[in-house]
Amino acid sequence: SQTIHQWPATLVQPVGSPLSLECTVEGTSNPNLYWYRQAAGRGLQLLFYSVGIGQISSEVPQNLSASRPQDRQFILSSKKLLLSDSGFYLCAWSVADTIYFGEGSWLTVV
Amino acid sequence: SQQGEEDPQALSIQEGENATMNCSYKTSINNLQWYRQNSGRGLVHLILIRSNEREKHSGRLRVTLDTSKKSSSLLITASRAADTASYFCAPTHSGNTPLVFGKGTRLSVIA
Repeated sequence: SQTIHQWPATLVQPVGSPLSLECTVEGTSNPNLYWYRQAAGRGLQLLFYSVGIGQISSEVPQNLSASRPQDRQFILSSKKLLLSDSGFYLCAWSVADTIYFGEGSWLTVV
Repeated sequence: SQQGEEDPQALSIQEGENATMNCSYKTSINNLQWYRQNSGRGLVHLILIRSNEREKHSGRLRVTLDTSKKSSSLLITASRAADTASYFCAPTHSGNTPLVFGKGTRLSVIA
C-alpha cells in the first residue's frame, strides 16, 4: 500500500532563518506531488505541484521554493522565512484524481 | 479559480441528527470529491462522484451532484461526535489540473 511521510511535524523558526520540509511517498511510481499551506482559520492554498522529477509549477509567488530531486521526494524550502510563512503545511500525492495527504507540518515563525 | 465553495461555513448539530453541506463550482467538471480534515491533521478522501452520476452512497455518507446547477451536497446521516471536522469539496477538471480547495464547512457534532 502507498504511504506518505512528511517531516518535521512541528518546528519553530526565527524570522530570516532557512526552511526545509521534506516529503516522501512509498508504494507508487511517478506520482503527482503537491505542497499546500493552511493558515489559521483559512482554507488550503496550493503552493507547488510537480508532475515529474525536476518539474515544478508554482501557484503563488512568494519566498518559498520547491524541488523534486527524486521521483517520490518533494522538498519545500525557503532561504529566509517571514512571519507570514507561519501555517500548516501539507504534502500530498496523487496518481489518478484522488489526492492523499500527509499528516502535515506546523511551522511557527517567530 | 477552479475551487469549490462550501456552504455553510460552520454547522453545529446534535449527535444523531443529519448534517448537510453544499458545494458550488463554476466550470465544467470530470468529477467532484469530498474530503474531511480533523483538527490539526491532513485531509482524508471521503468519496468521489463522477460527472455522469447523480447520487452516490458510502456508509452514512450520501453525495449528490447536479451538473446543471454546478452544485453538490454531502449528507452525513445519524451524525456522531467523531464526525466533527472540516469538510471540503474539490471539483476535478479535465487535464492534469491540481485540486484546489476552498475554506470548507466546519461541522461540530455535539454529544
